[in-house]
Amino acid sequence: DGGITQSPKYLFRKEGQNVTLSCEQNLNHDAMYWYRQDPGQGLRLIYYSQIVNDFQKGDIAEGYSVSREKKESFPLTVTSAQKNPTAFYLCASMEGNTEAFFGQGTRLTVV
Amino acid sequence: AQKITQTQPGMFVQEKEAVTLDCTYDTSDPSYGLFWYKQPSSGEMIFLIYQGSYDQQNATEGRYSLNFQKARKSANLVISASQLGDSAMYFCAMREWRDDKIIFGKGTRLHILP
Repeated sequence: DGGITQSPKYLFRKEGQNVTLSCEQNLNHDAMYWYRQDPGQGLRLIYYSQIVNDFQKGDIAEGYSVSREKKESFPLTVTSAQKNPTAFYLCASMEGNTEAFFGQGTRLTVV
Repeated sequence: AQKITQTQPGMFVQEKEAVTLDCTYDTSDPSYGLFWYKQPSSGEMIFLIYQGSYDQQNATEGRYSLNFQKARKSANLVISASQLGDSAMYFCAMREWRDDKIIFGKGTRLHILP
């Protein structure tokens, strides 16, 4: 079945550590996105990529980094520079002008 | 600048009634798409409906319809005959075609009362 897979579902990080969230899609979509969601809040765009080897900052890119070396993969690294990383992270992909497909999300907690 | 506004943080609606969730947007791109998503407590994002800026008719998908008023930059979601399972967060989103950027509103939490 085609879809987007995010892993892990839950992630715990010690303060000062970098951590990488995985996002893989087998939908052959060009565009991919990372969002952050805080409790009771909307989705805020972190980074997005329109094609392989290219990506753009979203509205809250500080403290995060991404890569897009393969079409199907768009990993997000939460760096130690992100002061408040505890949140729910959602990855999405899209092709054309219909719907964006989302993964199941990763819940990151700093301990 | 690209912007989505949802002015209703929460709504309570009686089961079987129709409900309208408000969404206004702002963009300078004449080509864009508007989306509505449902997010239950599990956290998954469920696509409901899509409207393109050049679509002449309002989009409909089963019990969902999108009241698209382009001049007012409004894209309200209408749910007919609400059900208990409709209780969730609802997000309005917009994608500008020029750069593929997709932004979301802050959402409306809908509670359906039995």
